[in-house]
Amino acid sequence: GAGVSQSPSNKVTEKGKDVELRCDPISGHTALYWYRQSLGQGLEFLIYFQGNSAPDKSGLPSDRFSAERTGGSVSTLTIQRTQQEDSAVYLCASSLPPGGGSYNEQFFGPGTRLTVL
Amino acid sequence: GESVGLHLPTLSVQEGDNSIINCAYSNSASDYFIWYKQESGKGPQFIIDIRSNMDKRQGQRVTVLLNKTVKHLSLQIAATQPGDSAVYFCATRGGSQGNLIFGKGTKLSVKP
Repeated sequence: GAGVSQSPSNKVTEKGKDVELRCDPISGHTALYWYRQSLGQGLEFLIYFQGNSAPDKSGLPSDRFSAERTGGSVSTLTIQRTQQEDSAVYLCASSLPPGGGSYNEQFFGPGTRLTVL
Repeated sequence: GESVGLHLPTLSVQEGDNSIINCAYSNSASDYFIWYKQESGKGPQFIIDIRSNMDKRQGQRVTVLLNKTVKHLSLQIAATQPGDSAVYFCATRGGSQGNLIFGKGTKLSVKP
């Protein structure tokens, strides 16, 4: 079946502009995660959605970052007033709901490479 | 706080040799560990996982070893192939919500 998809694959923007990154999770996956990967670094957790629960925003680096998940499916990560340090690959992952001591594999999309000039 | 790190940033091996990629973690309460493989331009792909109540787990050509005493994790790849060339990340579960905490990654290069 279809995996996690993200769009755009590449985004170049000017400092100060707003950007929106989109994630389409695997159908039926109620958990959705956003991560950021800076050049040569590991992935940094940003935000987590699970069903209709309030999202876990504990990883968002500043109030310029926000995310929505409409209808429990598609998610949009918005970065306002972009800065050069926001340049990174933004990865989305989805999974079946975690909990009960079990772990459900997170399936990652290909990412959106954001470059802020 | 939780942190996951890798001992070596790059590893170069000859095709057919075995590869060992190491990882250290800091939180002794970590109960679940995962190895991911990331090829260029792609998202991470799950390889193998291990729970803290185990010290070894084997998959197809891969073995993960966990040493809780020294908080060390390793990934062994048998008979390394060119297709194994990628960046390998270890990760641990970062909380009840299931978000992952990743190490910086080791780049594995396989020489033909």
